[in-house]
Amino acid sequence: DADVTQTPRNRITKTGKRIMLECSQTKGHDRMYWYRQDPGLGLRLIYYSFDVKDINKGEISDGYSVSRQAQAKFSLSLESAIPNQTALYFCATSSGDTQYFGPGTRLTVL
Amino acid sequence: QKEVEQNSGPLSVPEGAIASLNCTYSDRGSQSFFWYRQYSGKSPELIMFIYSNGDKEDGRFTAQLNKASQYVSLLIRDSQPSDSATYLCAVNTHSSASKIIFGSGTRLSIRP
Repeated sequence: DADVTQTPRNRITKTGKRIMLECSQTKGHDRMYWYRQDPGLGLRLIYYSFDVKDINKGEISDGYSVSRQAQAKFSLSLESAIPNQTALYFCATSSGDTQYFGPGTRLTVL
Repeated sequence: QKEVEQNSGPLSVPEGAIASLNCTYSDRGSQSFFWYRQYSGKSPELIMFIYSNGDKEDGRFTAQLNKASQYVSLLIRDSQPSDSATYLCAVNTHSSASKIIFGSGTRLSIRP
């Protein structure tokens, strides 16, 4: 089984809908991250969490929220999706500097 | 100025040659430097990390770090078609050791 899993892997939704992307990990890491990737812009950090009670905004947190339900679970929500949130979303975990990525969720907002 | 800059490419290199990928960063306090490889449609995977000035070799890969020039590079010797991918440079931030800033990546193409 994969160490970092993301669900769903693909999602198409409409403007204004609420969407939740889920991430689970079996690596036992305390630190979890959500990134989005757009062509030509690389990976940009949305939110990160160093433990269950710790949530921090990244460089592009507007329009997103997160929940750290447990050490192993970190979910990302789009309360009211808009087309410019169409992107590839990655969850990652780390115990130090090295980050381990999930397979990604391709989200399309129409 | 972006915190981590890379040439987007594409960089085209003949099979068997050396591919040289470059990255500059703006935070002088950065301590950790990483190279990730990302195949199209896949997630990034770590291939090298370096903490000290100089060279670090791992198989066909060599990472080079020059903190004075704020420059990190990745050399790939004996390039293979399977090396064709986007290479992401990543640097930790001085303010938070576990917060990593990624460059936008360099697309490498190895031509047979």
